[in-house]
Amino acid sequence: DAEITQSPRHKITETGRQVTLACHQTWNHNNMFWYRQDLGHGLRLIHYSYGVHDTNKGEVSDGYSVSRSNTEDLPLTLESAASSQTSVYFCASSDGSRWEQYFGPGTRLTVT
Amino acid sequence: AQSVTQPDIHITVSEGASLELRCNYSYGATPYLFWYVQSPGQGLQLLLKYFSGDTLVQGIKGFEAEFKRSQSSFNLRKPSVHWSDAAEYFCAVGPHSGNTPLVFGKGTRLSVIA
Repeated sequence: DAEITQSPRHKITETGRQVTLACHQTWNHNNMFWYRQDLGHGLRLIHYSYGVHDTNKGEVSDGYSVSRSNTEDLPLTLESAASSQTSVYFCASSDGSRWEQYFGPGTRLTVT
Repeated sequence: AQSVTQPDIHITVSEGASLELRCNYSYGATPYLFWYVQSPGQGLQLLLKYFSGDTLVQGIKGFEAEFKRSQSSFNLRKPSVHWSDAAEYFCAVGPHSGNTPLVFGKGTRLSVIA
């Protein structure tokens, strides 16, 4: 069955370190998204991609970057982790012609 | 700009009671509408979606939602809640045309008591 996976599921890192969260989907979807989820804020869009080599900023993109070198993967990089980036991060994907998104299980990131 | 409002942050219902979760959206045209559910420690799962046609849509787990254009609403309902329905519920809106991402509401947490 097609799926979307995230790794690691839990990560603890120190302030200032670079961190990369992986997202891999086997749906063959063109669209991929990264969100962060924080209490009281719901889901906030960080970055998204509509295809290979395409990336776009979401509403909370500062301090984050993505690159899309193939259809299956959209890694999220925190250039210099900050305590404010402690959150649960979700990756999602969708077909280019339809809009329902399929979500990964999430990565809980703690920045100390 | 599109926006989604879920007025209720937290709702508690008794097992077996009916449920209605509210969702209001702001959008200039007829949008695509979605409801997602998130169980504790899990990702989001699609419950149902509205694209066009019949304004009452059926979803998984016995849920349904009704699109009311005049009220800009897409409320989620279930006639009899089970303890396993305790979760966070998110409403989302997407464009009927164009290529912009979904916009999510902030969620409603549902607690179910015996």
